[in-house]
Amino acid sequence: EDQVTQSPEALRLQEGESSSLNCSYTVSGLRGLFWYRQDPGKGPEFLFTLYSAGEEKEKERLKATLTKKESFLHITAPKPEDSATYLCAVQARNAGNMLTFGGGTRLMVKP
Amino acid sequence: SQTIHQWPATLVQPVGSPLSLECTVEGTSNPNLYWYRQAAGRGLQLLFYSVGIGQISSEVPQNLSASRPQDRQFILSSKKLLLSDSGFYLCAWSPGQRRETQYFGPGTRLLVL
Repeated sequence: EDQVTQSPEALRLQEGESSSLNCSYTVSGLRGLFWYRQDPGKGPEFLFTLYSAGEEKEKERLKATLTKKESFLHITAPKPEDSATYLCAVQARNAGNMLTFGGGTRLMVKP
Repeated sequence: SQTIHQWPATLVQPVGSPLSLECTVEGTSNPNLYWYRQAAGRGLQLLFYSVGIGQISSEVPQNLSASRPQDRQFILSSKKLLLSDSGFYLCAWSPGQRRETQYFGPGTRLLVL
């Protein structure tokens, strides 16, 4: 069974304090790993897709990396507007288009 | 560009009442469509997905059902709501033909009392 575990569950940072969010996964053949951002009361917003170990993608202050067992979302010099819940999901090769989601990391950035 | 709509945005329903949530996608054709439920403080649980009109696959047995009467319309229904049906319901779409990324709608907050 595919599993995704995100840590920490919650993270408080001061503005400008860089950190990383972790997504550990177990999947029978990874097709893709996805990161989403979700603001309270809204639908998840797509951030990145990673397909193979060693791959990295960046967008503004965010950088996502992928190994064979986990993915990291690095946040450099975060701002209060980066506060949100970050969701990780995996898609297995034999799972069609279905995603398995982790529980998310709630990030709070204080000014 | 593609847009996904959900309505209503918020719904308060008594236990035992029926439910109908609607999702429509604009700007694409033959999308894959998905219904998820997100309980408070928890991850997303896939409920149903559809690869075409009239084609529905259920992931979780429950008192909910889904239908796809048109190519870009996906409906989530229930004949009798339970308290445990409360949650945040999200519709998503992905392009067909091995394009995997799913894009989510704004969601419907359902409270069953």
